[in-house]
Amino acid sequence: DAGVIQSPRHEVTEMGQEVTLRCKPISGHDYLFWYRQTMMRGLELLIYFNNNVPIDDSGMPEDRFSAKMPNASFSTLKIQPSEPRDSAVYFCASSLRTHYSYEQYFGPGTRLTVT
Amino acid sequence: QKEVEQNSGPLSVPEGAIASLNCTYSDRGSQSFFWYRQYSGKSPELIMSIYSNGDKEDGRFTAQLNKASQYVSLLIRDSQPSDSATYLCAVHRWDSGYALNFGKGTSLLVTP
Repeated sequence: DAGVIQSPRHEVTEMGQEVTLRCKPISGHDYLFWYRQTMMRGLELLIYFNNNVPIDDSGMPEDRFSAKMPNASFSTLKIQPSEPRDSAVYFCASSLRTHYSYEQYFGPGTRLTVT
Repeated sequence: QKEVEQNSGPLSVPEGAIASLNCTYSDRGSQSFFWYRQYSGKSPELIMSIYSNGDKEDGRFTAQLNKASQYVSLLIRDSQPSDSATYLCAVHRWDSGYALNFGKGTSLLVTP
């Protein structure tokens, strides 16, 4: 069974450029999460979706960040324009809501470097 | 901001010993607790979940939860060098939507 898929795995871009990160959740999962991880701040939740609808975007750092989930099998996180402080590892995770379980499963991540 | 605290480490234990990792949380409404393992350069991997006070065992791993004292721990028996990783504690509160609150992790080093 395929896990969460993310692309690209590595992205190097120059300040001011647009960056798009992609995620395919585990088939059948109804929740999708975008996280950012840095040494300084640890793992931070940016936004999450339920059944393709954004539920909580309070972690999105500023208007330069946007996320979409056009269907159950695809989501994007876009940064425009990118800045050096956006350099981090971005993870996508998915989950299947059950009565008792809130377990999340992570993709391999995208390492973003903005120069 | 509800806090999840972990000692950053590194926690160094010899091969074969028991590694004990601790996590405290500030939100008394927390109800679900998770341990993730993250190898360097890799993504977090779920290894244990616990919902009720007491112990939960899975192979060499035991999760312990004490809601009154607001702590959750992870014991790793017969530690192996392959257990060397960062261990993240995550906490969920039933009325906070579906978000998990992660600690910054404890680095574990198992020495041969």
